Formats: sequence, structure tokens, C-alpha cells
Amino acid sequence: SNVLTQAPSVSVAPGQTARMTCGGNSLRSKSVHWYQQKSGQAPVLVVSADSDRPSGIPERISGSNSGNTATLTISRVEAEDEADYYCQVWDSGSDHPVFGGGTKLTVL
Amino acid sequence: HVQLVQSGAEVKKPGASVKVSCKASGYSFISNDINWVRQASGRGLEWMGWMNPNSGDTGYAQKFQGRVTMTRDTSISTVYLELSSLRSDDTAVYYCVRNIPAAGTDWFDPWGQGTLVTVSP
Repeated sequence: SNVLTQAPSVSVAPGQTARMTCGGNSLRSKSVHWYQQKSGQAPVLVVSADSDRPSGIPERISGSNSGNTATLTISRVEAEDEADYYCQVWDSGSDHPVFGGGTKLTVL
Repeated sequence: HVQLVQSGAEVKKPGASVKVSCKASGYSFISNDINWVRQASGRGLEWMGWMNPNSGDTGYAQKFQGRVTMTRDTSISTVYLELSSLRSDDTAVYYCVRNIPAAGTDWFDPWGQGTLVTVSP
């Protein structure tokens, strides 16, 4: 079954670029989705299918997927971006979703 | 505006059962599977299972087989999660989520607001 690996934490100063990765075997052959979870709130979809942004998600947030690593990039980071970010794929073998362990983004 | 609204927090004793509801609005209730995901405090997201509101078909994560039951009432666009034989490590926030099908690369949007279930003697 799939295992998705995320760094536990990333720190970045306001205005800088944050990059959060999600690693897994043969990830390039899968669609990766990303969720943002602010403290005390439910997760919110911010990127689907590697790089699609739902309505209402700022253009500063983008996704990519290459090789065995998917990346969520937040440009011009703001204090409001501080949150936990989770990647997710669908495991076709077991027909259920798999989540990464999450990355906590701290805005310094 | 697609929305999932869950029932309120619960406190249960070990060995008891809990039933959490999830009311859908803003879309055709029978068109999308509903999944349940839980999150213990300070921990990651754990998938529990899915229900097809149209057919009533369900699928559960192996970890919860025998303890979890998902049902629905189509007349009020509501899905239910029941978890039995509760233990202290079942203390978590439980989320219902709408499944967006995408040819085997499904994702979840939106998420309910979450229901805190506390298991304590």
C-alpha cells in the first residue's frame, strides 16, 4: 500500500516562499491532493489533481508533481497561511485514500 | 453552497457506542459518496470508511471492521456514523467529507465542521 512522507515542519518568513513536499513510490503516476488545516478548524482542499486550485484559493498557492515527489508551494507567505498541510492520494489497490502525516507551516 | 453540518460533541464511557450525524445541503445528496475521517488531538488524518447514499453500500477500513456502521436517511439528506465498543483511543474529532470521484484519484471537498467524541470513564 502507499505511504506518503511529509516533513513534520517548515518555517518561513513573511513574504518568502514555502515549499512542502510529499514523497511516495510512483507518485508521478498518481494524482496528489492537498488540504490546509488551520488551528481548531476542519481541513480545506487547496489543490486537487496535482495542480488545480479550487475556487477561492489564492493564486499564491500552487502544486506540482514530478518523479516520486509532489510539492505544494506558497509564494509571498502571509501570517494567515500558518497551518498544517496534508497530501492525499487514492490507493487503487485497496480502493481507499492515503494521507501523508502532515507538515506544520510556521510563519516566523 | 455545498455544506456538510455535523452533530455536536459527545462524551461517552468506555464500551459505549456513539452515533454522529452529517447533514448535506447545496447539492444532490445521492450523487456523491460520503467518507468519514477522524483525527486524534495533535495527530494526522485517519480514514474510516465510505457510504454511497444512493445505494446504501458501504466500505470500512480494516481497522474498524466490526465496530463501525454507516447508514443514511435520504429523506433528510443525512449520513450517520456509529462506532461501538468505544475505547479511550477513539477520542478524536470525526469529520464527514464529500467524495469527489475522479477515475480512481478521488479527493474530498468539502469537509464537515467536525464532531469531537471524548471517551472517558
